[in-house]
Amino acid sequence: SYVLTQPPSVSVAPGETATITCGGNDIGSKSVHWYQQKTGQAPVLVINYDSARPSGIPERFSGSNSGNTAILTITRVEAGDEADYYCQMWNFNDDHPVIFGGGTKVTVL
Amino acid sequence: EVQLVETGGGFLQPGGSLTLSCAASGFIVTNSYMNWVRQAQGGGLEWVSVISGDGKTFYAESVKGRFTISRDISKNTLFLQMTSLRAADTAMYYCTSSGFSGYDVYPHWGQGTLVTVSS
Repeated sequence: SYVLTQPPSVSVAPGETATITCGGNDIGSKSVHWYQQKTGQAPVLVINYDSARPSGIPERFSGSNSGNTAILTITRVEAGDEADYYCQMWNFNDDHPVIFGGGTKVTVL
Repeated sequence: EVQLVETGGGFLQPGGSLTLSCAASGFIVTNSYMNWVRQAQGGGLEWVSVISGDGKTFYAESVKGRFTISRDISKNTLFLQMTSLRAADTAMYYCTSSGFSGYDVYPHWGQGTLVTVSS
């Protein structure tokens, strides 16, 4: 079945830019969503349909999707952005329709 | 406001059965795609099952034949019946909903209910 591949960890200094990738075969032809999960909390949707920000999500969060890689970008990183980030998509082609990436731990140095 | 509240988690022995509930408010469960997603301690998110607005169901291979997703519109509640439980099923179980957002994205999550399977 379809696999979404994320790096296990990304480290970034405050004020810098964090880039989190989500790799998949021809993922650019699919819609990708991103969730933030802070320790001990339920996930929160931060980007949907590749690049749309739900209400209440700061403009510092943005997304793109092309070719074999979707990207979540966090600019001007703050300590409060430290969390696990997961990409997710709907796979039309088999009986396992909801796919999550393995998650990326963002550490703010 | 959309709200999801899971209940029913607990501690049980391998081979046991348990039913999780997810009470929804702010929308009607049959107008939404709803999932169960689980997360083992220290692990990532693992999709378990989804039920579409028109009642189609899908399951992860790891739970197929053991878990059943269903809903009760009179109670506006989603369920997950779990049987033949294994230690590997130990996780926090989250209920998620697409709400009014279509079918493939889940802006609404409950707080989770913990299932522990151990002898």
